[in-house]
Amino acid sequence: QVQLVQSGAEVKKPGASVKVSCKASGYTFTSYGISWVRQAPGQGLEWMGWISAYNGNTNYAQKLQGRVTMTTDTSTSTAYMELRSLRSDDTAVYYCARDHFPISPSGWHIVWGQGTLVTVSS
Amino acid sequence: SYELTQPPSVSVSPGQTARITCSGDALPKQYAYWYQQKPGQAPVLVIYKDSERPSGIPERFSGSSSGTTVTLTISGVQAEDEADYYCQSADSSGTYRMFGGGTKLTVL
Repeated sequence: QVQLVQSGAEVKKPGASVKVSCKASGYTFTSYGISWVRQAPGQGLEWMGWISAYNGNTNYAQKLQGRVTMTTDTSTSTAYMELRSLRSDDTAVYYCARDHFPISPSGWHIVWGQGTLVTVSS
Repeated sequence: SYELTQPPSVSVSPGQTARITCSGDALPKQYAYWYQQKPGQAPVLVIYKDSERPSGIPERFSGSSSGTTVTLTISGVQAEDEADYYCQSADSSGTYRMFGGGTKLTVL
């Protein structure tokens, strides 16, 4: 079946970097995009950005530009999200979600990963 | 920066109709998507492209659009519909996407 499986929980110190993976299965990876969404404890959803699995184009949320990098490895059908210079307010559950279109971001996400908890603490 | 505005909470009794609004200046130009999220779970898409319902979503969920406001309507609310609901859309250029702040639906 169609699914996205994310890497496990991480604990990082302030200033460090984290890289979360999202492995796709059950569909043609390059026919869709991948969006990343995070949710701080007790807070709402925050769109972080999008990457096309078709051509590698990216769109990042303005507040994260310069700290976030999204990539894909089409040979393993895996998407990655790296966040640098971590702060305590980056503590959140990070989700990947399949985006319906491969060329530009949409809000159309039928398939979601299970979420990865990233804790930033000294 | 562009924002989508939702009421923080909506309360209804079982069997009644719940309406959750989402306002934003770019909504006449950009589609809205609605997500349901229950505690400890990933979001679930309940409405796409303003008013389309994905396969497997009950018919009691519907969406509509009027000017700068989109509305998620849940007819005949059931206890299982108690959840947080988020709208998602984009700025007028379509470059940056964002979620509304979320609305907690309480079934009394």
